[in-house]
Amino acid sequence: DAKTTQPPSMDCAEGRAANLPCNHSTISGNEYVYWYRQIHSQGPQYIIHGLKNNETNEMASLIITEDRKSSTLILPHATLRDTAVYYCIVSYGQNFVFGPGTRLSVLP
Amino acid sequence: EAGVTQFPSHSVIEKGQTVTLRCDPISGHDNLYWYRRVMGKEIKFLLHFVKESKQDESGMPNNRFLAERTGGTYSTLKVQPAELEDSGVYFCASSQVWGDHEKLFFGSGTQLSVL
Repeated sequence: DAKTTQPPSMDCAEGRAANLPCNHSTISGNEYVYWYRQIHSQGPQYIIHGLKNNETNEMASLIITEDRKSSTLILPHATLRDTAVYYCIVSYGQNFVFGPGTRLSVLP
Repeated sequence: EAGVTQFPSHSVIEKGQTVTLRCDPISGHDNLYWYRRVMGKEIKFLLHFVKESKQDESGMPNNRFLAERTGGTYSTLKVQPAELEDSGVYFCASSQVWGDHEKLFFGSGTQLSVL
């Protein structure tokens, strides 16, 4: 079973920030938090990952709480093309256990 | 740089037939993974190769599934004989190393329909 819980769906207005939460209260000390997304029927696409510090790249920001029991993925200016299923995964290594993810709908 | 490529993109076969899926990882990636999503379920890990060796095949559903990676380059996943419950999307992924700080690159998948 996945070690993360995410809301099943969220809506976001185009141009606004999308904040996707994830709970991972049983995360181990050496496990990273990864975020991937799947658009339509394409393969999952890497977004960002981190261990305990906040991370930012050209796609998104990842905020991890100090106790590492939860995190938030932030898409700063959501576009229609960001509509997808977003997966939060905790793992050491890449033998991932996917949960159902959050279906994000960006609305015009 | 070419990404992970999978062939065919779609396959429709009858129950009892054999199907072979192929995956070409990103050049230089020693780690190759197979995942699948069957109808209504989450994406599930099947197995992990490091070069030509099977590092972890704990997710393989049964002995009707055979994965190979001869020479440590491309990989094939054979289903023989195929059953109805094997229908789904089979994803291949690759990474340069295994462990932390490593991105996984996925292919677009093979949609398998068993009738």
